[in-house]
Amino acid sequence: ETGVTQTPRHLVMGMTNKKSLKCEQHLGHNAMYWYKQSAKKPLELMFVYSLEERVENNSVPSRFSPECPNSSHLFLHLHTLQPEDSALYLCASSQEGGGTNDEQFFGPGTRLTVL
Amino acid sequence: GIQVEQSPPDLILQEGANSTLRCNFSDSVNNLQWFHQNPWGQLINLFYIPSGTKQNGRLSATTVATERYSLLYISSSQTTDSGVYFCAVETNYGQNFVFGPGTRLSVLP
Repeated sequence: ETGVTQTPRHLVMGMTNKKSLKCEQHLGHNAMYWYKQSAKKPLELMFVYSLEERVENNSVPSRFSPECPNSSHLFLHLHTLQPEDSALYLCASSQEGGGTNDEQFFGPGTRLTVL
Repeated sequence: GIQVEQSPPDLILQEGANSTLRCNFSDSVNNLQWFHQNPWGQLINLFYIPSGTKQNGRLSATTVATERYSLLYISSSQTTDSGVYFCAVETNYGQNFVFGPGTRLSVLP
């Protein structure tokens, strides 16, 4: 148990569906992150939020839309996805959003399949 | 951006054996973490080690920041050590965590 939870753990959706992934951290951290892990590829950072403001968006397609209503919750809204978006989506949190002594803790991930 | 390499890509061990995993990075870093990803996808923090040496039970890690590498040592390996080991680094100029490709470890009974 890392103090970061994600729901759902598994999600199957069609290309025309709209769904949302949820992440919650119970560590009192100020920064939250979304990563994508595709088969045979390194983890890719998608979005970074620090104090509820987006500070990094790594050229992610607009069909992925993040939302951070407060420092404990992070959402990833999905719409009109493609089969190649099937992957494990991991959420993480850290105290500061980067810099010295800033350790990241990960949730268990949501395994997404797009049909 | 920074490049992160890990070696070996795959490693098969007999239970009880020792191993060393390596992480090389191409630029100065102010953060480095080692993770173990279990078969269910959970990333488990092993070490936060931007420099120096740390030990936790059968695992230890050393980072030589000036030479841009880190080593993870696993002693007396167990089948539960199987999975993928990742290092991740953050640069001094603020580039957020970049993960290496991982080392897939299989420990056989």
